[in-house]
Amino acid sequence: EIVLTQSPATLSLSPGERATLSCGASQSVSSSYLAWYQQKPGQAPRLLIYGASSRATGIPDRFSGSGSGTDFTLTISRLEPEDFAVYYCQQYGSSPRTFGQGTKVEIK
Amino acid sequence: QVQLVQSGAEVKKPGAAVTVTCKTAGYTFTNHAIHWVRQAPGQRLEWMGWINTGTGHREYAQKFQGRVTITSDTSASTVYMELSSLTSEDTAVYFCARDESLTNDYWGQGTLVTVSS
Repeated sequence: EIVLTQSPATLSLSPGERATLSCGASQSVSSSYLAWYQQKPGQAPRLLIYGASSRATGIPDRFSGSGSGTDFTLTISRLEPEDFAVYYCQQYGSSPRTFGQGTKVEIK
Repeated sequence: QVQLVQSGAEVKKPGAAVTVTCKTAGYTFTNHAIHWVRQAPGQRLEWMGWINTGTGHREYAQKFQGRVTITSDTSASTVYMELSSLTSEDTAVYFCARDESLTNDYWGQGTLVTVSS
């Protein structure tokens, strides 16, 4: 099973600042089958990025993903008030699919 | 529009079984698999398994093998997830999610299952 480790656990930033979230995998993620989700309290996760770097439908271009192999990054170029949430990475290249433990982006 | 609507919250006793329903609408049911993911309080998301709604093929995470059964009813565009032999560690919010090119693009609203004596 591929273990995903996200860092940092919490990111305290102000609106307008840049957020950089990391996701490390215990083994190489095949075909860059790595996704990022945003989750707000009491809501289901929302798909942001798939294939490590492709934005899902309707996702603003301030969200971008990069990386391959075992190291992946989600960048939010300029934080908007609605971006403060928990972000999870997920690998879906091997079974079982696994998620990281999440990074909380909070208002500083 | 695409919708996944789940059944309501459940309270179960240890040892019991629970069935969560995921009713879909707004797309061709057999064109997209459905996955089940759960989230225990304060924990990360956990993938449980999926069903190919076109062929009926199912795959379960090893952790849940023997305890989880995912089925589908094409006539009702609905997927069911049954989890048996419940313990307090199964207390969680359970989500169904549509598969789109292996990712999960639409999710149900979640169903809270509480296991308590």
